[in-house]
Amino acid sequence: DAGVIQSPRHEVTEMGQEVTLRCKPISGHNSLFWYRQTMMRGLELLIYFNNNVPIDDSGMPEDRFSAKMPNASFSTLKIQPSEPRDSAVYFCASSLTRHRLNYEQYFGPGTRLTVT
Amino acid sequence: AQKVTQAQTEISVVEKEDVTLDCVYETRDTTYYLFWYKQPPSGELVFLIRRNSFDEQNEISGRYSWNFQKSTSSFNFTITASQVVDSAVYFCALSDIDRGSTLGRLYFGRGTQLTVWP
Repeated sequence: DAGVIQSPRHEVTEMGQEVTLRCKPISGHNSLFWYRQTMMRGLELLIYFNNNVPIDDSGMPEDRFSAKMPNASFSTLKIQPSEPRDSAVYFCASSLTRHRLNYEQYFGPGTRLTVT
Repeated sequence: AQKVTQAQTEISVVEKEDVTLDCVYETRDTTYYLFWYKQPPSGELVFLIRRNSFDEQNEISGRYSWNFQKSTSSFNFTITASQVVDSAVYFCALSDIDRGSTLGRLYFGRGTQLTVWP
């Protein structure tokens, strides 16, 4: 079975450019999460969706970040304009949420973003 | 408030030693799940175990074992006869009852870096 798929795996871009990260969750999962991991701040939850609806985006650092989930099998995280401090590994994860309880999240391989 | 504390930032052991990674959690709910994840040097996050708050029976999987004690709000992870391949960052996480604003969310600790030397 395919796990969570993320693309690209690596992205190097210049400050000011738009960056779009993509995620395909595991089929049948109804919750999707975007995380950012840095040495300084560890693993941070940016936003998560349940049944394609954003539930909590309080972790999104600023208006430069936006996320969408147009359908159950696809999500994007966009940074516009990008800045060097956005350099990090961005993970997408999906899980099954049922009966008000949240089961384990399965993570994608991550996208390593470098903004120069 | 929900919180997961992994007080050990880094642990170093020599191969074949046993090592225990500590995890202490806080939640106001009686129904919740606890998790452990492994992040090897390659970077991916790998799910290891999920534990239900109503099941305090310890679990063993090969060289891995988990000790869940509600009385101390702890969910510790022990690796027996550690190997170099066990070197990784290990994260403990908590998931509790949905209250509308927390649906789907896991609360992660800061992780423990385990280094196993040959």
